[in-house]
Amino acid sequence: QSALTQPASVSGSPGQSITISCTGTSSDIGAYNYVSWYQQHPGKAPKLMIYDVSNRPSGVSNRFSGSKSGNTASLTISGLQAEDEADYYCNSYTSSSTWVFGGGTKLTVL
Amino acid sequence: EVQLVESGGGLVQPGGSLRLSCAASGFTLTDYVMSWVRQAPGKGLEWVSGISGGGGDIFYADSVKGRFTISRDISKNTVYLQMSSLRVEDTAIYYCAKRSGGSGNFDPWGQGTLVTVSS
Repeated sequence: QSALTQPASVSGSPGQSITISCTGTSSDIGAYNYVSWYQQHPGKAPKLMIYDVSNRPSGVSNRFSGSKSGNTASLTISGLQAEDEADYYCNSYTSSSTWVFGGGTKLTVL
Repeated sequence: EVQLVESGGGLVQPGGSLRLSCAASGFTLTDYVMSWVRQAPGKGLEWVSGISGGGGDIFYADSVKGRFTISRDISKNTVYLQMSSLRVEDTAIYYCAKRSGGSGNFDPWGQGTLVTVSS
């Protein structure tokens, strides 16, 4: 199972919006609505930000939103803040009954 | 409060074995799917294995199939990952995570335990 494809890095200024894409195939993202996104700060465990494509767990800011179209999922962060600077990973269920992560995207807040 | 605490990591030689533990509190293992996810130094996340709430459904990534075994002890509310025939490329921080059945939400995650495979 190949990793989902994410851009290696994205950047934005405080207050701006950014979108991170996550491209898979018809056997993972395209087949299931089990797409989730995780935020990871250096030296810390990942934190769930979005699950089942567009659902936000309790306690996660509504500046974070998710969507999906075909084989590509997206995470949008609006009103960028300094504390959003982190690595972000997408994840999807696959037709092999396994789970696959994206390679990760480093978000830099300028 | 839901909490996961991993232990058992350490330094092991190639070809060796190690057993990781993930002690769960604040919920019952039989109600959730438990997974192991690893992260090699400076690299991304890789799903390793999962076990269903009933224990009857177990899955592995191709990279560890035949070498790793996931299991659990309900009486101790603990999940294990038995790793054998370890390779240098298995070096990583190993996290356990809880997931609700019927949903793709790995949440929460433990703090992780570092496994180093080196001679």
